[in-house]
Amino acid sequence: DADVTQTPRNRITKTGKRIMLECSQTKGHDRMYWYRQDPGLGLRLIYYSFDVKDINKGEISDGYSVSRQAQAKFSLSLESAIPNQTALYFCATGTGLPNQPQHFGDGTRLSIL
Amino acid sequence: QKEVEQDPGPLSVPEGAIVSLNCTYSNSAFQYFMWYRQYSRKGPELLMYTYSSGNKEDGRFTAQVDKSSKYISLFIRDSQPSDSATYLCAMSLSNFGNEKLTFGTGTRLTIIP
Repeated sequence: DADVTQTPRNRITKTGKRIMLECSQTKGHDRMYWYRQDPGLGLRLIYYSFDVKDINKGEISDGYSVSRQAQAKFSLSLESAIPNQTALYFCATGTGLPNQPQHFGDGTRLSIL
Repeated sequence: QKEVEQDPGPLSVPEGAIVSLNCTYSNSAFQYFMWYRQYSRKGPELLMYTYSSGNKEDGRFTAQVDKSSKYISLFIRDSQPSDSATYLCAMSLSNFGNEKLTFGTGTRLTIIP
């Protein structure tokens, strides 16, 4: 089983719809992250969480919200999806310890029509 | 100007060749440098992790950091078709949690049998 599981793997939806992407992990890491990947722009940080009670905005948080339901679960919501949110979304986990870089899930491909 | 610049490629080389992948950056405060490999439809996976200037070798892979030139490289020796993937450089200011990873846009590499 994958250490970091993202659901769904693919989603096509319409403008204005509310969408939730889910991430769960079995690595026991405290820190969880959401990124989006766009061609020519690379990976950009949307939100990150150090623990259940600690949520922080990344560089592109507008239009997104998150919920850390448990240590192992971190969900990303698009309240009213728009076409320029079409992208590949990745969840990652981390320990916060030295020399322990982030570990990524396999992504959700989201298309907004 | 982006903080991290990476040639997107695509780069095609014959099997067995030495591959050189590079990134330049503008923020001299970056201290930790990473290379991730991303196969199609998968999340990035960590290949190499280095601190400050110098070389680090792991099997066929060598990571090189030149902080004076703000330039990092990844060399792949005896390249194999299984090395065909997108390679992302990433860097951070701190070693703790790497919550502020800054990524390059990735270089798509194809190894031709």
